[in-house]
Amino acid sequence: DGGITQSPKYLFRKEGQNVTLSCEQNLNHDAMYWYRQDPGQGLRLIYYSQIVNDFQKGDIAEGYSVSREKKESFPLTVTSAQKNPTAFYLCASSMGLAGTDTQYFGPGTRLTVL
Amino acid sequence: AQSVAQPEDQVNVAEGNPLTVKCTYSVSGNPYLFWYVQYPNRGLQFLLKYITGDNLVKGSYGFEAEFNKSQTSFHLKKPSALVSDSALYFCAVRDRFSGGYNKLIFGAGTRLAVHP
Repeated sequence: DGGITQSPKYLFRKEGQNVTLSCEQNLNHDAMYWYRQDPGQGLRLIYYSQIVNDFQKGDIAEGYSVSREKKESFPLTVTSAQKNPTAFYLCASSMGLAGTDTQYFGPGTRLTVL
Repeated sequence: AQSVAQPEDQVNVAEGNPLTVKCTYSVSGNPYLFWYVQYPNRGLQFLLKYITGDNLVKGSYGFEAEFNKSQTSFHLKKPSALVSDSALYFCAVRDRFSGGYNKLIFGAGTRLAVHP
């Protein structure tokens, strides 16, 4: 987990609320990613970013939004449009987007809808 | 479509015995393969990867994996299991987005339980 921090560790959301998950890295990596993890499933990609001010949708982007204003930061907003947001959210980073680049993960944020 | 499968939901092994966690893949080009481990309520930790070269890849914490192109497998192994190895293990393979960007496709995970 070293080099990538996520906050908060636990987050509770009421119906209709938007919430923002923080992800910061000090690895000087260009690429950053957001994944969602549900029990019994592998990780699914929400958004990824190759460079500052650029980001692309992943497989399950609906109901989520991101920004990349700084190289080290890639916050994820879970909007009210996301119908089933309860999950474990993982942020990752890598040197670039090359297939050989290793992705390193943060400790995760567990989001629960009340 | 590229995919990765972990055929076992759970693997049980006695401490001190060798362990194997299985992974098979399907890709259209050269596979880039990765293994990660996840402890409860934690992020994924990178163990090892195969890019090219020697089919036996050595990684962190005494783990290794063998790339077998003919069987399209990349099984994770350790000669002597420790109770502390008990965790959730993920295999992943590189995929390619349209536009040339790459992403990882993850298997569903295998839970390893090492018993004293």
